[in-house]
Amino acid sequence: GQNIDQPTEMTATEGAIVQINCTYQTSGFNGLFWYQQHAGEAPTFLSYNVLDGLEEKGRFSSFLSRSKGYSYLLLKELQMKDSASYLCAVRSHSGNTPLVFGKGTRLSVIA
Amino acid sequence: DVKVTQSSRYLVKRTGEKVFLECVQDMDHENMFWYRQDPGLGLRLIYFSYDVKMKEKGDIPEGYSVSREKKERFSLILESASTNQTSMYLCASSGDRGQETQYFGPGTRLLVL
Repeated sequence: GQNIDQPTEMTATEGAIVQINCTYQTSGFNGLFWYQQHAGEAPTFLSYNVLDGLEEKGRFSSFLSRSKGYSYLLLKELQMKDSASYLCAVRSHSGNTPLVFGKGTRLSVIA
Repeated sequence: DVKVTQSSRYLVKRTGEKVFLECVQDMDHENMFWYRQDPGLGLRLIYFSYDVKMKEKGDIPEGYSVSREKKERFSLILESASTNQTSMYLCASSGDRGQETQYFGPGTRLLVL
């Protein structure tokens, strides 16, 4: 079966750093995606990892360890607008295979 | 800029009605997807299509059907709406390369009374 686990909720302080973890067990692996979703809106793409290591994109970074079935999203210099749900998703096979999504982590940034 | 549009942002229907949700993408993407999203359950795949006139069942296809007559358009049909189909419905599209993300439409919040 396919399974993706991430924490349900997290709270962090404005200006701080937060790490959102994701573990996965899937029938194959062809890339891991992170999305941001504000309340009432559609998910928007944040990052993509297919090889082990860290991908940095401004205040956001994403890490992948394929041998451990593990990824994290790192958000630095948190801002109030970062309050949102963060979804981890895995593509298990070829490009036209649907992504398997985790249930999302709701992040609240407080002053 | 990639654009995925959905026919309605909000919809209210009565139990037993036939409901059509339409999705259009302008990126010439091969693949299109319909999800529903419910609190605590996350995104669940209803149906997807990787080519015109092709369709594949996702994880929760019961009570739904789909149609893809043209590459850019993917319709979700609720044959006889029920209250447990009250949900947020999200359409997405993607190209065929492995690193291609799925682009989502704005969503349709459907209430079935």
